[in-house]
Amino acid sequence: NAGVTQTPKFQVLKTGQSMTLQCAQDMNHNSMYWYRQDPGMGLRLIYYSASEGTTDKGEVPNGYNVSRLNKREFSLRLESAAPSQTSVYFCASSRQGSEQPQHFGDGTRLSIL
Amino acid sequence: LAKTTQPISMDSYEGQEVNITCSHNNIATNDYITWYQQFPSQGPRFIIQGYKTKVTNEVASLFIPADRKSSTLSLPRVSLSDTAVYYCLVGDMRTNAGKSTFGDGTTLTVKP
Repeated sequence: NAGVTQTPKFQVLKTGQSMTLQCAQDMNHNSMYWYRQDPGMGLRLIYYSASEGTTDKGEVPNGYNVSRLNKREFSLRLESAAPSQTSVYFCASSRQGSEQPQHFGDGTRLSIL
Repeated sequence: LAKTTQPISMDSYEGQEVNITCSHNNIATNDYITWYQQFPSQGPRFIIQGYKTKVTNEVASLFIPADRKSSTLSLPRVSLSDTAVYYCLVGDMRTNAGKSTFGDGTTLTVKP
C-alpha cells in the first residue's frame, strides 16, 4: 500500500544549487501533480501531467522544471535554488477524469539557505 | 478561475457536529467540489466529493445548493483526532487542472 512515494523527505540546499525531487505512484494513475505549500498557507500547483507524455504549467511554475519519466514517475527540478523556494513540496496522482480525487505523498521539506 | 473562500479557523468540542462552508461563486458547469483533510507533516487526504445536492459517506456529508456557488462540509460528532486543516477544491482537473486552486483552508480545532 505504498501509494505516492516522495524522495527525499528532507533536504537542505545552498542558494544556486540544483536539486531533483522524485515522485512515484503505484496506483496506475494517469495524472500527476506537483504542489508547494508555504507555512500556514494552502497548496499551490506548480506543474501537472494529465497523462504520460504531457506536462503543463500550474499557478506557480517559475523556477521549476518537470519530467514525466513514465506513467509511474514525475520529477520536479530546481535548476538554481533560491531562498524563496523554501517550502514543503507535495506530489499527487489521480485517475483521469474531473471527478477523480487526488492521492498525495507525505511531502519533501526543502530548505534553501 | 474557480477561487474558493473558507473561514480561516473554527473551534468545536468533542461530540458536536461541525459545518464548514466554502464559497465558490465562479464555479463552472463541469467543476466538481472536493474536500481534503490535512494533518501536520502529512499530505492532504481526500474526504468527500460532490457535484450537486447531497453526498454522504462514512466520515462526512457534503451539501451543495442548487446554484452550486457554495458548499458545506458536515462532520458529525467530531473527536480530537478531527483537528486538522480542511481544504475545499473546485475545478475540473481533467481540463483545467492548472486553474484549480486549494485556497488557504480552514483550521478546525476540536477541544475536549
